[in-house]
This record gives sequence, C-alpha cells and structure tokens, in this order.
Amino acid sequence: GAVVSQHPSWVICKSGTSVKIECRSLDFQATTMFWYRQFPKQSLMLMATSNEGSKATYEQGVEKDKFLINHASLTLSTLTVTSAHPEDSSFYICSAGGGGQGMTGELFFGEGSRLTVL
Amino acid sequence: LAKTTQPISMDSYEGQEVNITCSHNNIATNDYITWYQQFPSQGPRFIIQGYKTKVTNEVASLFIPADRKSSTLSLPRVSLSDTAVYYCLVGPLPNAGNNRKLIWGLGTSLAVNP
Repeated sequence: GAVVSQHPSWVICKSGTSVKIECRSLDFQATTMFWYRQFPKQSLMLMATSNEGSKATYEQGVEKDKFLINHASLTLSTLTVTSAHPEDSSFYICSAGGGGQGMTGELFFGEGSRLTVL
Repeated sequence: LAKTTQPISMDSYEGQEVNITCSHNNIATNDYITWYQQFPSQGPRFIIQGYKTKVTNEVASLFIPADRKSSTLSLPRVSLSDTAVYYCLVGPLPNAGNNRKLIWGLGTSLAVNP
C-alpha cells in the first residue's frame, strides 16, 4: 500500500528555535497533504491543508506565521514550527491521499513527529 | 461535515468478536464512512471504508444500514495487539473534488485483555 514517511520521528528543542518536520509520499503523488496536531489523550486536530504549488489553507485559530507549510513538490510537504515554545509541544502528524488512478478514499498517515520544546 | 459519535471506551478479551458502533445522523449523500486505528505515538492506520451495506477485508467488516446514519466496525477474534483507539470518520473521498476535511472525534479506546 501507499506509504507516507515523516521525519524526524521525535525532536527536542530549546524555546525560541525553529523546527522543520518533513512529510513525504513515497510511492504516490500527493496533490494535497494534511497536517494534524494531537495532544495526549486527545483526538487529531487538523491544522492546515497543504496544496502542491499553492498556499496552504489554515484552520481557524492556527497561526500561519508560526506554522509555516511548504508543499513544493507532489511528494514533499514541510511544516516548520517557528520560534517554538513549550505549549507547542505535541505530536504532529501528516497525511496524504487522493492521488492518481487506483487510489481509494483512504488517507495515508505518517508515523508522526513528537516535538518537545524545553 | 457529518459529526460522529462513538463509545469512549470498550473492553474485550482475546478471541472475542468486537463490534464498535458509530452514529452519524447527518451523513451527506457523497460521504463515505472510514475507520482508522491508532496505536500510541503512531499515526492512524486505515482499517476499512464503505458507502453502504457490508464491506469485508482481511482485518475487519463494516456494516452500514440502509439509512447510513450509523455504522458498525466488527473485529473478529481480537488479540492483545488490537488494543488501540479506533476512529470513525465520514466525509467525501479526497479525490472527489471536495475540500477534504475530516472531523476527528475522540474515538473508541479498545482494551483487549488476556
């Protein structure tokens, strides 16, 4: 089946630094990718929809200047958490779906990236 | 977007069949029903998807009544490794030309005991 890979799987950084998380679709082209955030014991919250070649669409309450999304190719989207603070510590997950012929309606999720801001 | 309601938690034992029901009273005509499984500190994993009636694959069955206002995920003979959170989502297919946004509820935390 289709594979989505995220990197890094975990990262620890100091407050005020920026962290980049990569999301790659390994065997299909993803015109759209989604970025989620999940706090402990809570559900996934959609942060933004990343569209290849155009600006991302952010959900209400998500600061676009803090969470920079770049989807420069059909296989790569990046999320950069700028000037990270402890409250940004969370589990970030990307997903992709809706590729070319033969794709079903399922979304394929990355392994997730655990961000801890000290 | 259709909202879903599922039990917060369920307990079962190894070898039993587990049925998790999800309510989605406001499901739209072009919405599909999809179930995902999530283990701690991992991304969700697709289990099964359906539109109506019954769908079966190698890991689960999905039962959808005619009115499509609910669905039931059936896991046959669960094992300890099936302990996870199960999410029911409804929405259009990502390549259907619709803006794909899925609302994730809290899911059902299934605990399989020995």
